[in-house]
Amino acid sequence: SQQGEEDPQALSIQEGENATMNCSYKTSINNLQWYRQNSGRGLVHLILIRSNEREKHSGRLRVTLDTSKKSSSLLITASRAADTASYFCATDKAGTALIFGKGTTLSVSS
Amino acid sequence: NAGVTQTPKFRVLKTGQSMTLLCAQDMNHEYMYWYRQDPGMGLRLIHYSVGEGTTAKGEVPDGYNVSRLKKQNFLLGLESAAPSQTSVYFCASSYLPQGGDGYTFGSGTRLTVV
Repeated sequence: SQQGEEDPQALSIQEGENATMNCSYKTSINNLQWYRQNSGRGLVHLILIRSNEREKHSGRLRVTLDTSKKSSSLLITASRAADTASYFCATDKAGTALIFGKGTTLSVSS
Repeated sequence: NAGVTQTPKFRVLKTGQSMTLLCAQDMNHEYMYWYRQDPGMGLRLIHYSVGEGTTAKGEVPDGYNVSRLKKQNFLLGLESAAPSQTSVYFCASSYLPQGGDGYTFGSGTRLTVV
């Protein structure tokens, strides 16, 4: 099935460092989205990038999309302990719903 | 400003019992979805609805039924629960099809089948 796969599966950094996670997908998309999930909570929508966009910013988040490589990256700058969470990419599948990857678990220590 | 509300939050069932999970949204969203989340598996789509009175199967529909009698509610039923259905269930909704404006998620229902 069309699915985003995040890389790495887990990432540990210090506060103040940047965190980069990647997502690869298999087939063409209309848009790609990133979500955050804090432990024991529901997912929260972070940012959406459309297939005709190459880069998008939202606060400390920067998302890039390379449709030729079928990949996206999420950069969180100046990470904080509160950024500790799992991050998922999701791609749209025509006629149905979003397909989610398995996520990257980010741990930010102070 | 409730968003998406799921009830119950926790439930323990015995094998063979039935139950219904309720998802309610107050954003007038047309599209609603049920996912399950298992360790190491990410989120998998069970069923979804593109409007009141319509439902469709997702990736893992077996053992589940759904109904969308009212626009604001999307019910997920387990007719005869099995241990393999132990999972965390998330409901989501969106204004645009295929979540084109992003999903709003509920806080989840943690179900254990013993």
